[in-house]
Amino acid sequence: GPKVLQIPSHQIIDMGQMVTLNCDPVSNHLYFYWYKQILGQQMEFLVNFYNGKVMEKSKLFKDQFSVERPDGSYFTLKIQPTALEDSAVYFCASSRDSQDTQYFGPGTRLLVL
Amino acid sequence: GDQVEQSPSALSLHEGTGSALRCNFTTTMRAVQWFRKNSRGSLINLFYLASGTKENGRLKSAFDSKERYSTLHIRDAQLEDSGTYFCAAEARGSALGRLHFGAGTQLIVIP
Repeated sequence: GPKVLQIPSHQIIDMGQMVTLNCDPVSNHLYFYWYKQILGQQMEFLVNFYNGKVMEKSKLFKDQFSVERPDGSYFTLKIQPTALEDSAVYFCASSRDSQDTQYFGPGTRLLVL
Repeated sequence: GDQVEQSPSALSLHEGTGSALRCNFTTTMRAVQWFRKNSRGSLINLFYLASGTKENGRLKSAFDSKERYSTLHIRDAQLEDSGTYFCAAEARGSALGRLHFGAGTQLIVIP
């Protein structure tokens, strides 16, 4: 089936540093999403993105978070500066339409020390 | 998270048998997806339903928006069906595409 790729698969950084998580969505998809899963907890929605804009963000999407997809390349989640509580697995997803199947990447495991 | 209650949390099945997983919703949902997380942690798409039922091989899923539930039936379970299964649903009235996930059902298929 359609594949979403995420780079890197793992990232360890020191608190206060910046990190960028990269997502390569399915090629003809127009809607993009980030979800966060803290160890032992449920997957939680962070943000969705369409036509170059954030459509909705949850309360987990802190001011230190930003997303973009410059020139149709990677869809990125940037955290600047990082905090200890940002340690989690971040999943990217994409869909062709807003009411359609979302395909998920394998996740980026972020550890903030 | 709180809008989706998934059960059971864990399930053991002998090969060849079957069972059902269920997600109850505390609000009206527009659509539901079912996933299986494989050993690498990737979410494998199983079904997307806006209503009714769908079947794929030994799996069958149903979604009733009015009654606020969805089910995933597994029949003739095989060892490779082992994994964690998740439902995720879009609430009517919330942002399009915003999925609320259940806590998952860990399925172990025993030889």
